[in-house]
Amino acid sequence: DQQVKQNSPSLSVQEGRISILNCDYTNSMFDYFLWYKKYPAEGPTFLISISSIKDKNEDGRFTVFLNKSAKHLSLHIVPSQPGDSAVYFCAATSSGNTGKLIFGQGTTLQVKP
Amino acid sequence: KAGVTQTPRYLIKTRGQQVTLSCSPISGHRSVSWYQQTPGQGLQFLFEYFSETQRNKGNFPGRFSGRQFSNSRSEMNVSTLELGDSALYLCASSLAGPRNEQFFGPGTRLTVL
Repeated sequence: DQQVKQNSPSLSVQEGRISILNCDYTNSMFDYFLWYKKYPAEGPTFLISISSIKDKNEDGRFTVFLNKSAKHLSLHIVPSQPGDSAVYFCAATSSGNTGKLIFGQGTTLQVKP
Repeated sequence: KAGVTQTPRYLIKTRGQQVTLSCSPISGHRSVSWYQQTPGQGLQFLFEYFSETQRNKGNFPGRFSGRQFSNSRSEMNVSTLELGDSALYLCASSLAGPRNEQFFGPGTRLTVL
């Protein structure tokens, strides 16, 4: 049972445009969500997070939106840069499961110059 | 501040052997979590240690075990290796609690022949 799903395995966008990566979850106990970026041969790098008490969190070019009623979150990257090309994972956790992140399958983003 | 370090980076073993992987967290981080990444299953949570105690556990067989030392360094052990154990094993550390982002090491690539 996959509790966190990223239904798009890949996404390709032009440099300077917006990249939108989507993530859905099924477990209503999740109350904290994170996005990680991963390059080959490296561990995931933390990008941005959001608590379930918020619906938006912004950090530079990265914005995460949370729609609790739809159990959906998205990561917006504006403007996209070639260096953003990587695999993006969304992850979720709950207060009762410290240290345990449930990851989606990942979306490979390619930003074309 | 130095990041999370994992040793060894690469390992080749044969079926039936056992293996020990090591993780040194970021200084001051007391929580260490372990994840397995495979192409088919994605990133899956193995277990989390905090103050030398296992605080959370994923759905892996008992062949997978771990421990944490008083300096927060952690080891994980896999006994009676199977071909399916071939994976990237990632360690992540955090200050504590679900609201603290986890910072990942580069991983140990284990190949079981």
